[in-house]
Amino acid sequence: QKEVEQNSGPLSVPEGAIASLNCTYSDRVSQSFFWYRQYSGKSPELIMSIYSNGDKEDGRFTAQLNKASQYVSLLIRDSQPSDSATYLCAVKANYQLIWGAGTKLIIKP
Amino acid sequence: SQTIHQWPATLVQPVGSPLSLECTVEGTSNPNLYWYRQAAGRGLQLLFYSVGIGQISSEVPQNLSASRPQDRQFILSSKKLLLSDSGFYLCAWSAINTGELFFGEGSRLTVL
Repeated sequence: QKEVEQNSGPLSVPEGAIASLNCTYSDRVSQSFFWYRQYSGKSPELIMSIYSNGDKEDGRFTAQLNKASQYVSLLIRDSQPSDSATYLCAVKANYQLIWGAGTKLIIKP
Repeated sequence: SQTIHQWPATLVQPVGSPLSLECTVEGTSNPNLYWYRQAAGRGLQLLFYSVGIGQISSEVPQNLSASRPQDRQFILSSKKLLLSDSGFYLCAWSAINTGELFFGEGSRLTVL
């Protein structure tokens, strides 16, 4: 069974520091990887998608993919209190996404 | 640009009552459409997906059903709700070329 694993947290990071969120997946043939942010009571919103090994940067966010290690991560630089949310990792398998359970991130002022 | 809407946003229903949640997508043609459920503090569970009008695939056996009467309309239904049907229901569409999934605002269902 295809799985996506995330540490549930909570992960507590001081404001202004780098938050590092990690995700591992079991399906070696996966080619598409996504990070979503979900605020409490709201629907998930797409932050980053990554398809190739290496880093992809978008503003304060950097996604990192290592297919050999089956590992994808999300770095948030200069963390802000508004970054406090649950971050969901998703991996595309055929027609659907396989979801991790999410990591709760708390940014402390 | 593409937008997705679902309603109602919140509803409280008694056990055994029917359910209808509706979702529409604008700005795209022939999208793949999905219904997910998220129980409190839990991950996303795929309930149904559709690749076209009248084409529905069910992922989890349950007392829920889905229909797609029009290209950009997706409906989630139940004839008789159970307590275990409570949760946050999310409609989503996907971009075929990238696989990215975009969610509606969600419908929070409480069954009493």
